[in-house]
Amino acid sequence: AQTVTQSQPEMSVQEAETVTLSCTYDTSESDYYLFWYKQPPSRQMILVIRQEAYKQQNATENRFSVNFQKAAKSFSLKISDSQLGDAAMYFCAYRRRDSSYKLIFGSGTRLLVRP
Amino acid sequence: GAGVSQSPSNKVTEKGKDVELRCDPISGHTALYWYRQRLGQGLEFLIYFQGNSAPDKSGLPSDRFSAERTGESVSTLTIQRTQQEDSAVYLCASRKDRNTEAFFGQGTRLTVV
Repeated sequence: AQTVTQSQPEMSVQEAETVTLSCTYDTSESDYYLFWYKQPPSRQMILVIRQEAYKQQNATENRFSVNFQKAAKSFSLKISDSQLGDAAMYFCAYRRRDSSYKLIFGSGTRLLVRP
Repeated sequence: GAGVSQSPSNKVTEKGKDVELRCDPISGHTALYWYRQRLGQGLEFLIYFQGNSAPDKSGLPSDRFSAERTGESVSTLTIQRTQQEDSAVYLCASRKDRNTEAFFGQGTRLTVV
């Protein structure tokens, strides 16, 4: 069975600094997607970034980038120039590319941003 | 609508009562998920609908939980004989196809007293 693990329950970063959130996953599949979702106190889950497993290039969205290591089954999120609005829960998620498959989430990392 | 809509936003119910939670997915989205999120915890998969295929009910925690979806439109999650441990936020998400991401609603916070 596929699993997603986030080993950091909470992380803290100074405003304007850089922070990296870790995620590892376990799967025997070769074709899948990985995602990072942000959940602020409003509880709305917002997609931050996604990575297709068949692409070697790491995805980037403005201040957010990933380090995707397929062989190591690692998918970390780097947030550069952290802002107060980045404070939230961050969830890593996996989905097999097959349309019949569900999203599997990690347990989340709470990010605190210090002014 | 523009996004996934869930109602009610908040629901307080007495232990033992039945509740129905509603999800209106984004128009044209064939896939729909329900998740449960207990306070301070991650998302626990409940059920998944994909088009006209049989739903994946593998995450439903007990036979008190059931869900229906009419075609590719609205879905309802029903919890019978609610218990205090059912208190959580119930999140719904929809997805257009296998190459796109899921979009979430704002959830229903259920409190069983």
